[in-house]
Amino acid sequence: DGGITQSPKYLFRKEGQNVTLSCEQNLNHDAMYWYRQDPGQGLRLIYYSQIVNDFQKGDIAEGYSVSREKKESFPLTVTSAQKNPTAFYLCASSINAGNTGELFFGEGSRLTVL
Amino acid sequence: AQRVTQPEKLLSVFKGAPVELKCNYSYSGSPELFWYVQYSRQRLQLLLRHISRESIKGFTADLNKGETSFHLKKPFAQEEDSAMYYCALKNQAGTALIFGKGTTLSVSS
Repeated sequence: DGGITQSPKYLFRKEGQNVTLSCEQNLNHDAMYWYRQDPGQGLRLIYYSQIVNDFQKGDIAEGYSVSREKKESFPLTVTSAQKNPTAFYLCASSINAGNTGELFFGEGSRLTVL
Repeated sequence: AQRVTQPEKLLSVFKGAPVELKCNYSYSGSPELFWYVQYSRQRLQLLLRHISRESIKGFTADLNKGETSFHLKKPFAQEEDSAMYYCALKNQAGTALIFGKGTTLSVSS
């Protein structure tokens, strides 16, 4: 079953803790993205990666970190430096950087900081 | 500055009525615009892109450079059209999409 898998679906974290959200794709896509979705805010770009071992900051990268060691994986770490981490996080991929308009999304991970 | 504006948070229409979801953009040069849709309990997915000039599920969207708009239209709304709709713009570098805040479309009978 091809697609993007995000885990966990729901995650609770205490303040001051780092947490890592997983994103795996078996679509053989080169490019991957992380967006944050807040009510009334739409989707905002956190980080993106056009190719393995390379990634760039998006509009709201502060307090987040990523890695892209494998083509199929693009984990996002929400660090304790992120001031307002409670949100819905969406991972997406595209065939390559040139097809960035056609994104395939995961089901999302909802992070709640207690 | 690159920006996408969707002025309506919520649009409520009756079944069979025409629908127009507004999208305005700010961009230097020739923009590439898209509409994405998220139905209840489903993933966000691409609905259509302006370069294809296609009609998907009865929806069309025309790029109007003079008005910097890319409104999504459908002549006769169906209940199954109820969803959240996002307008998106490819950024100047061509590396990612900038999304609007979204409009919830509610179609009732």
